[in-house]
Amino acid sequence: GQSLEQPSEVTAVEGAIVQINCTYQTSGFYGLSWYQQHDGGAPTFLSYNALDGLEETGRFSSFLSRSDSYGYLLLQELQMKDSASYFCAVPNTDKLIFGTGTRLQVFP
Amino acid sequence: DTAVSQTPKYLVTQMGNDKSIKCEQNLGHDTMYWYKQDSKKFLKIMFSYNNKELIINETVPNRFSPKSPDKAHLNLHINSLELGDSAVYFCASRHRVGANVLTFGAGSRLTVL
Repeated sequence: GQSLEQPSEVTAVEGAIVQINCTYQTSGFYGLSWYQQHDGGAPTFLSYNALDGLEETGRFSSFLSRSDSYGYLLLQELQMKDSASYFCAVPNTDKLIFGTGTRLQVFP
Repeated sequence: DTAVSQTPKYLVTQMGNDKSIKCEQNLGHDTMYWYKQDSKKFLKIMFSYNNKELIINETVPNRFSPKSPDKAHLNLHINSLELGDSAVYFCASRHRVGANVLTFGAGSRLTVL
C-alpha cells in the first residue's frame, strides 16, 4: 500500500519560517507534490519535486530526498493568509494520493 | 471563467434519499476525478475517468454511481444516503494520466441528517 504521513498541526508567528514534513511509503515513486487548502476552499497546487533537492517558488520552497522517502515544504516570511492546510501527495499512474494533511496556524 | 465547477455547493438531505452532484471542466483535460474529504480533512480518491471511461473505482459502495457523458463532465449520483456519507466531495481534473497537477472544483458539502 501507499501512505504519506505529516504532522497534524504546526503553529508559527507572522514573519517566521516554518517547515512541514512528509514521509512516504509508495510502491513506485513519480515525484512529490504539495497542495494548499484554505478553510472552505479547494486544494490548490503549490509545487512538485521529481528529483532530489530544493525547488523554490517565491516564499515557498519544497525539498525532496528520495533515498530517505522524505520531503518538506518550507514557508518563509509567513503571512496571516498562509494559515491553511497543506497536503503532500504522490502521483500514481492514474491518481494522486494525498497525505494526512498539516494544519498551519499563523499568529500575529 | 471557472476551470472546474461543481453544483450544488451545499446539499442537506435526509437519510435514505438520493442526490446528485454535477461537475464540469473547461480546461480540455482528459481525466476527471471524484475525491471525498471527511471531517478530519483526509482526501480520498473515489473514482477516476479518462475520456469518459472509468479507470479507477476505489472500493466505493455501489450506492455511489459516477457518470461521464463526455470528457468535460463527471457527475456523481448517490442512492440511499447514509449518515457516513456526510463529507465534502471534490471534483478534479488532470491534463492527462500521469500529469502532476490536479485542478479542483470548489467542493460540494453534503450533510445527511
